[in-house]
Amino acid sequence: DADVTQTPRNRITKTGKRIMLECSQTKGHDRMYWYRQDPGLGLRLIYYSFDVKDINKGEISDGYSVSRQAQAKFSLSLESAIPNQTALYFCATSDRTSGAHTQYFGPGTRLTVT
Amino acid sequence: QKEVEQNSGPLSVPEGAIASLNCTYSDRGSQSFFWYRQYSGKSPELIMSIYSNGDKEDGRFTAQLNKASQYVSLLIRDSQPSDSATYLCAVNSGGGATNKLIFGTGTLLAVQP
Repeated sequence: DADVTQTPRNRITKTGKRIMLECSQTKGHDRMYWYRQDPGLGLRLIYYSFDVKDINKGEISDGYSVSRQAQAKFSLSLESAIPNQTALYFCATSDRTSGAHTQYFGPGTRLTVT
Repeated sequence: QKEVEQNSGPLSVPEGAIASLNCTYSDRGSQSFFWYRQYSGKSPELIMSIYSNGDKEDGRFTAQLNKASQYVSLLIRDSQPSDSATYLCAVNSGGGATNKLIFGTGTLLAVQP
């Protein structure tokens, strides 16, 4: 079984719809991240959470919100989707106690907003 | 100036050759450096991590770090067509325990059979 899972894997939605992307992990890591990836722009950090009560904005948080329901679950919401939010979204986790800063990625969600 | 810079490529090398991928970074306080491999449409996969100046070898991969020059590289020996992918350089930023990674935009490697 995969250590970091994301649902759904693919989603097509219409402009103005609310959508939630979910991430779960069985790695026991305390830190979780949401990135989006666009061609030519690389991975950009949307939000990150160092524990259940610690949530921080990344470089491109406008139009997004997150919820850390438990140590193992971190969801990303688009309150009112717009076409330029079409992208590949990745969840990642890391372990503070390792001190190594290594992040491990989920399989990604391909989101298309029409 | 971008925080982590990579040549976007494509870098084309013949099968069996050495592929050399380069990355520069701007934060002198960075302590951790990573190379991820990403196949098209797939998630980034950790290849190498390096924390000290010098070379670190793992199989066909060697990571090189020069903190004075703010430069990190990845060498792939005996390149195979299966190595064809985008290679992402990532550097921790913010210092201490903040644990945020800044990614370069990646270098596309194409290994020609």
